[in-house]
Order: sequence, then structure tokens, then C-alpha cells
Amino acid sequence: KNEVEQSPQNLTAQEGEFITINCSYSVGISALHWLQQHPGGGIVSLFMLSSGKKKHGRLIATINIQEKHSSLHITASHPRDSAVYICAVNYGGATNKLIFGTGTLLAVQP
Amino acid sequence: DAGITQSPRHKVTETGTPVTLRCHQTENHRYMYWYRQDPGHGLRLIHYSYGVKDTDKGEVSDGYSVSRSKTEDFLLTLESATSSQTSVYFCAISDQGIGYGYTFGSGTRLTVV
Repeated sequence: KNEVEQSPQNLTAQEGEFITINCSYSVGISALHWLQQHPGGGIVSLFMLSSGKKKHGRLIATINIQEKHSSLHITASHPRDSAVYICAVNYGGATNKLIFGTGTLLAVQP
Repeated sequence: DAGITQSPRHKVTETGTPVTLRCHQTENHRYMYWYRQDPGHGLRLIHYSYGVKDTDKGEVSDGYSVSRSKTEDFLLTLESATSSQTSVYFCAISDQGIGYGYTFGSGTRLTVV
């Protein structure tokens, strides 16, 4: 069983919709990452957070440490947001290793 | 990002042949990682390095070896490639400390026939 669970696995939205992707993990962490991967493409880091909320453009990431849960929100979604969004957690330790969720495939239709 | 490059980007090889993938960084980061990405799985750690000549196994290390003789380069070798090693391989770098994020390479698509 993956220690990092994402939902939904697949998501289809209409352009302009508000989108939420969820991530839950099993034990306490030092940091959580949200990553983006376009089809056939590389992986880009969107956010790294250990508490609270971060915002970059139309993207917002929140984390609730007590509930072991994080959300990635996309406001005013656009077809170019279509990608796989991956949650990854760092359980601490000197090596900074990450445990990855299986990703959420987002398709934004015009 | 220009700070990390992987080579080759694509490779097709035959079962039983050795294969080496290269990850090169210009960021002088201490930590380097090799992951593989397969459908239905999250990225899984193969091996990682925490310094020159300092490496350790990840969760899916069987059939793979690594070397890091310089800070900049982290090599992943498949000693005798098998079809189960067909995958997309990503290298990543990180500076020490939890406060630093990850940077990923563009990936290598390896097909073993």
C-alpha cells in the first residue's frame, strides 16, 4: 500500500473551473512537494511546504499537518494546466528522500 | 532546467546487454537520486548518493548499480538489462537540508527488447 494517497486519480474539468487535488499520507512528515508532469515531459516542482499555505499565480497549495492532508487548488483552470500532478512527501532524515503518490491526471477541456 | 541533464534521452537495448545512464548537474548539490517511473506506480527510488563515492540503495535497487566519482556526475548501470527494466528513468538533485527542494532531469526512456 502506497504511503501517499492521491485523489482523484483522474479528473476532467471545463476551462475556467476551480480544481482541487488531494493528498493524504500516513505518518508525520518534514515536507510535502507538489510536482507537475506534462505528457511525455519532465517533472517540475510546483511547491514545497511544511505548514500553512503557498500561492503561485493560479496555483494554491495547503497542508494540514494534524490531519496529514494536503490540497492543490487551481483557480480559473486552462487547457495548458492539463498534466499529471504528483504529491510527494519527505519523512525526514539526512538523505531527503521522497515517497511519491501515483499522480492525478488532469484534463482541462476548452 | 539547465542545472541537471540526463543522457541519453531515449535508448533501445537488447536483453542481457549492459546499459549506463548518466546524470550531470552544475548546481553542486550534495544529493543525487535515480528514480524509475512506471504506469500505476509512483516514482520509485533506485539508488541515491549523499556525496562523492557515498551511495545507498533505494526500494527497487535489484539489477542496478551506481557510481559517483565526481560531485557533478551520477551514473546508473543496468548490469544485464531485462524487459522488466523498461521504464522512464529520472535523475533528481537536492541540496542538503529539508529546506531545499528537488530539481528533476528530463528523463530517459529506456526500452529493453
